[in-house]
Amino acid sequence: AQSVTQLDSQVPVFEEAPVELRCNYSSSVSVYLFWYVQYPNQGLQLLLKYLSGSTLVKGINGFEAEFNKSQTSFHLRKPSVHISDTAEYFCAVMAGWSQGNLIFGKGTKLSVKP
Amino acid sequence: DGGITQSPKYLFRKEGQNVTLSCEQNLNHDAMYWYRQDPGQGLRLIYYSQIVNDFQKGDIAEGYSVSREKKESFPLTVTSAQKNPTAFYLCASSIWVTEGEAFFGQGTRLTVV
Repeated sequence: AQSVTQLDSQVPVFEEAPVELRCNYSSSVSVYLFWYVQYPNQGLQLLLKYLSGSTLVKGINGFEAEFNKSQTSFHLRKPSVHISDTAEYFCAVMAGWSQGNLIFGKGTKLSVKP
Repeated sequence: DGGITQSPKYLFRKEGQNVTLSCEQNLNHDAMYWYRQDPGQGLRLIYYSQIVNDFQKGDIAEGYSVSREKKESFPLTVTSAQKNPTAFYLCASSIWVTEGEAFFGQGTRLTVV
């Protein structure tokens, strides 16, 4: 069975600073990886996804993530954050295309301060 | 516009009552899901359906029931057997097999008093 660990439950950062949200996964088979963002009292929106190919994935709102198979990681990065990036971010993993096996981490709350 | 609609956004019920949460999608997606979200717990899968008239239990199905009579609709019933039903419930859908990414509704916050 696969699992996802988001290493930080909260990340405070100042506006225009860089940020990295960490995600590690475990799986005995090949995986597909996702990052979602959730604003208060709303659903989740896909930021980016890794299915295959280039290990550096670019997403919306200036975010990017790098798939590292040897370290089983999929960390999310942004070089300069804005106040509007304040939200909760979820890493998710799917083992193959078996529906129902989209497993989420517990989330990281990003708080951007002026 | 295509999307997933959950209703209502807020729902209050008395303990011991069954309650049904609505989820409708017009994305022509085959697969639909229900997740429960609690603070600090991430999202946990309750039920999912790959096709009409078929659904599978997720990790925390006890105390919940679903139906999938139409492709567009996947209602979730929270029964009185669910010991701690107060939570934020999220419905999602995805294209079966080819894409995998899930599209989410805006959620229903259920409070049982």
